Amino acid sequence: LAKTTQPISMDSYEGQEVNITCSHNNIATNDYITWYQQFPSQGPRFIIQGYKTKVTNEVASLFIPADRKSSTLSLPRVSLSDTAVYYCLVGEGYQKVTFGTGTKLQVIP
Amino acid sequence: DTAVSQTPKYLVTQMGNDKSIKCEQNLGHDTMYWYKQDSKKFLKIMFSYNNKELIINETVPNRFSPKSPDKAHLNLHINSLELGDSAVYFCASSQAQGHETQYFGPGTRLLVL
Repeated sequence: LAKTTQPISMDSYEGQEVNITCSHNNIATNDYITWYQQFPSQGPRFIIQGYKTKVTNEVASLFIPADRKSSTLSLPRVSLSDTAVYYCLVGEGYQKVTFGTGTKLQVIP
Repeated sequence: DTAVSQTPKYLVTQMGNDKSIKCEQNLGHDTMYWYKQDSKKFLKIMFSYNNKELIINETVPNRFSPKSPDKAHLNLHINSLELGDSAVYFCASSQAQGHETQYFGPGTRLLVL
């Protein structure tokens, strides 16, 4: 089971691009990388998922280097409403998955 | 129109009581889950059901018993509640197992006194 490591917290000003990196050195061949966002008093919400290279959707981009031992979630021009906890998950399935503490992003006006 | 709903939203009860939390999804998904988020915000899977059959049962005390009357519902019954059971319990669903996107409910905040 791939273990993930993320920064505990990050601060950013409104309008800036935010990059959150997740380390997963023992990622397995069949593992996908998935990011979730959780607002206070709400359940986690899917943001983006990828296997390799770059994935982009209307919310974020996910950069995965060739060795796949890390990944970076990129949030363009954050706003106050992006203040949340961001979780990086690695695995083929959700068996035995622990979200961990995630990265608490605080967007400052 | 809520995709995944849970009831109740808040639950305050005494030690030793038995309580149930209900979960319903209207997404037509085959797989449903229960997660526990403790005070340190660790979110850990407890159970996974696929088409009403138990797939995952993590090291959860047998005081916790999931029940899936149909594919759209996965209820969680807890016997003899303990102080350490205080947490937020999230229900989730996905189209299938594997790396499918999970949709989470709003959570049930359980406080055991």
